[in-house]
Amino acid sequence: SQQGEEDPQALSIQEGENATMNCSYKTSINNLQWYRQNSGRGLVHLILIRSNEREKHSGRLRVTLDTSKKSSSLLITASRAADTASYFCAVTQGGSEKLVFGKGTKLTVNP
Amino acid sequence: ETGVTQSPTHLIKTRGQQVTLRCSSQSGHNTVSWYQQALGQGPQFIFQYYREEENGRGNFPPRFSGLQFPNYSSELNVNALELDDSALYLCASSLGPLATDTQYFGPGTRLTVL
Repeated sequence: SQQGEEDPQALSIQEGENATMNCSYKTSINNLQWYRQNSGRGLVHLILIRSNEREKHSGRLRVTLDTSKKSSSLLITASRAADTASYFCAVTQGGSEKLVFGKGTKLTVNP
Repeated sequence: ETGVTQSPTHLIKTRGQQVTLRCSSQSGHNTVSWYQQALGQGPQFIFQYYREEENGRGNFPPRFSGLQFPNYSSELNVNALELDDSALYLCASSLGPLATDTQYFGPGTRLTVL
């Protein structure tokens, strides 16, 4: 079963705009990761945020984590056409090291 | 490029057949994880191998099995193929078995079962 649920399922924006994607999960987590996937190919790790962290930045990416609401958000600032991809959150829980992925948000950035 | 390769790129099999998918990890990565990704879904964890031993398994039946070799290559074997096994199969290598060890994914093998 999939633990993380991304919202929205699809998002279409213009180049230069910001894109925000959300991820909600059901039970306590150890950490949460965001991945990007281009055209149904391999995933690329973007960022990891631990359960005791609230915000992390990496280049144009900003990730927040609210453990009280069991949710995370990924913000991509000043989007580019090359950011067009599907974005997935993945969580680890309890004593397990396995990643549990959500269904993803499909982002389209129009030039 | 992640340095992780998979073969073949595409594969077509019929129900009941057996298939072997291959993955070549980054040099020095002693952990490989396999995922199944159905169309429109996120990847689902099949199993992980660490230093050539199975180190965790998801909710997949025993007809899904794997091997990891000392030369950083690994295999995913699926017996008695079913139509629902049609999916993109991804392998990911990492330095270690922890979730905090960044996983580097290969481009995947798309399996179609007819």
